Amino acid sequence: DQQVKQNSPSLSVQEGRISILNCDYTNSMFDYFLWYKKYPAEGPTFLISISSIKDKNEDGRFTVFLNKSAKHLSLHIVPSQPGDSAVYFCAAISQGNKLVFGAGTILRVKS
Amino acid sequence: NAGVTQTPKFQVLKTGQSMTLQCAQDMNHNSMYWYRQDPGMGLRLIYYSASEGTTDKGEVPNGYNVSRLNKREFSLRLESAAPSQTSVYFCASRDPPYQPQHFGDGTRLSIL
Repeated sequence: DQQVKQNSPSLSVQEGRISILNCDYTNSMFDYFLWYKKYPAEGPTFLISISSIKDKNEDGRFTVFLNKSAKHLSLHIVPSQPGDSAVYFCAAISQGNKLVFGAGTILRVKS
Repeated sequence: NAGVTQTPKFQVLKTGQSMTLQCAQDMNHNSMYWYRQDPGMGLRLIYYSASEGTTDKGEVPNGYNVSRLNKREFSLRLESAAPSQTSVYFCASRDPPYQPQHFGDGTRLSIL
């Protein structure tokens, strides 16, 4: 039973346009959400996070939106760059405990 | 600043062989984790150690054992490797409750 779902295995976007990666969750006890980025042959690296008391967090080109009523979060990358091409994992934490990861979305930014 | 270091980076085993994957972190984190990554399944937690001296099972612990040797080191052991354990293994560390995890670069393990 996947508690964190990333339903799009891949996404292709033109350089300069917006990339939107989506994530849905089922556990209402999740209170903190994170996005990780992973390049081939490297470990995941932390990108951005959001607490359940917020609905938006922004860091440069990256913005995460949280819709608690829909149990949905999204990562927006504007503008997208070729170096953003990677696998993006959504993750969730409940009460400071373990992280639960989604299956990941492969983003390809075409130049 | 090395962060999280995993050894080895690659390994090929035969079914039934044993193997220990090593992980060390230099960030003085209390919590350490072992994950496996398989295609289409994201990262699944095998075992974790919330603090030195404690270990707990994660989502997929069968066939694995762990040792939290000290605050820096957390090893993962396969006692009798099986082809189903072919995967990429990641070690991570953090300080709870809401700090992000820092990951090593992984160990790619193939079991024939």
